[in-house]
Amino acid sequence: GAGVSQSPSNKVTEKGKDVELRCDPISGHTALYWYRQSLGQGLEFLIYFQGNSAPDKSGLPSDRFSAERTGGSVSTLTIQRTQQEDSAVYLCASSSQMVFVEQYFGPGTRLTVT
Amino acid sequence: DQQVKQNSPSLSVQEGRISILNCDYTNSMFDYFLWYKKYPAEGPTFLISISSIKDKNEDGRFTVFLNKSAKHLSLHIVPSQPGDSAVYFCAASVINQGGKLIFGQGTELSVKP
Repeated sequence: GAGVSQSPSNKVTEKGKDVELRCDPISGHTALYWYRQSLGQGLEFLIYFQGNSAPDKSGLPSDRFSAERTGGSVSTLTIQRTQQEDSAVYLCASSSQMVFVEQYFGPGTRLTVT
Repeated sequence: DQQVKQNSPSLSVQEGRISILNCDYTNSMFDYFLWYKKYPAEGPTFLISISSIKDKNEDGRFTVFLNKSAKHLSLHIVPSQPGDSAVYFCAASVINQGGKLIFGQGTELSVKP
């Protein structure tokens, strides 16, 4: 079956602009996670959804970052007034209710802020 | 505050030999541990996991060992193959906190023919 998909695969934006990153999880997966990987670093947790609600937003680095999930499926991560330090690969993962820690990742969106 | 650490940024091994990747953690609340493998320009792929109630889990050529008293886990790959060359991430979670994964910085494994 289809895996996790993310769009766009690459995004170059100017400092100060807003960007939206999209994630389509595996069908039927109730949990959805956003992570980011900055250059030379490990993956950093951003936010987690169970259904459409976000019980844990503790990893969002500032109030410029927000995310939503609709219909228990697609999620959008929005970064307002982008800064150069936002440049990273943004990864989405989903998991089933049965084994939610075993997360399946999408290919990521590489964001470059110039 | 790096709760999960992979102190070796890289490892080079000969094909057919054993690869051992190490990971240390500081948070004693972690009760589930995972290894992910990542190729360039792709998302991480789940490899193997272990619950804190076990000390070993095996899946084919991959075995994960957990030493809770030392807060240390390791991934053994036997025999190593050139296709195993990738970046390996260790991750840890507290099950009742929703499955949020805390990742190490990764170890780049190179298996030479």
